[in-house]
Amino acid sequence: KAGVTQTPRYLIKTRGQQVTLSCSPISGHRSVSWYQQTPGQGLQFLFEYFSETQRNKGNFPGRFSGRQFSNSRSEMNVSTLELGDSALYLCASSLVEATPLHFGNGTRLTVT
Amino acid sequence: GIQVEQSPPDLILQEGANSTLRCNFSDSVNNLQWFHQNPWGQLINLFYIPSGTKQNGRLSATTVATERYSLLYISSSQTTDSGVYFCAAGAGTASKLTFGTGTRLQVTL
Repeated sequence: KAGVTQTPRYLIKTRGQQVTLSCSPISGHRSVSWYQQTPGQGLQFLFEYFSETQRNKGNFPGRFSGRQFSNSRSEMNVSTLELGDSALYLCASSLVEATPLHFGNGTRLTVT
Repeated sequence: GIQVEQSPPDLILQEGANSTLRCNFSDSVNNLQWFHQNPWGQLINLFYIPSGTKQNGRLSATTVATERYSLLYISSSQTTDSGVYFCAAGAGTASKLTFGTGTRLQVTL
């Protein structure tokens, strides 16, 4: 069974631009979560989607948004990029809520 | 929200040694997981263990929910065990997890 797939693996953007990251969960998994990892703040929860509905949102500005499609694939979007948005963005899927999380390899975003 | 503290922050072991990593959490949780992040950044789920004890090869974990802590045991460590070990906890029905700051483990020959 294929794992969680994130695309792209690396991304370089300029301040002020926007970016869209993609995540395909493990087949059959209905819950998709997004996390941001930085050296200073560690791993922080962004949001979670279940059956196309956002169930939970972390403490991030409205520039960070996401969605989930009917096939459970998810995208997250960051608008008006800032230097501080440079991070590893990790997507995780689970069968249903509060079950083992399985992470993808992440998208490393660099904002210049 | 839930606070998660891990200790020690850093650990250096010789190959073959055993170690215990600790995770304390501030509130009642029904979701407690341990992860290993390898040097290439990949996060691997080791255990989903909101309570009780589980073993998987050389690794085992115990969570005492009533006392709000969890322990990860690594026996006969190998160089491939190097990396950062994270504990993450959550409450309620969602998959929102609060991660600790991790224990960085280096296993030397």
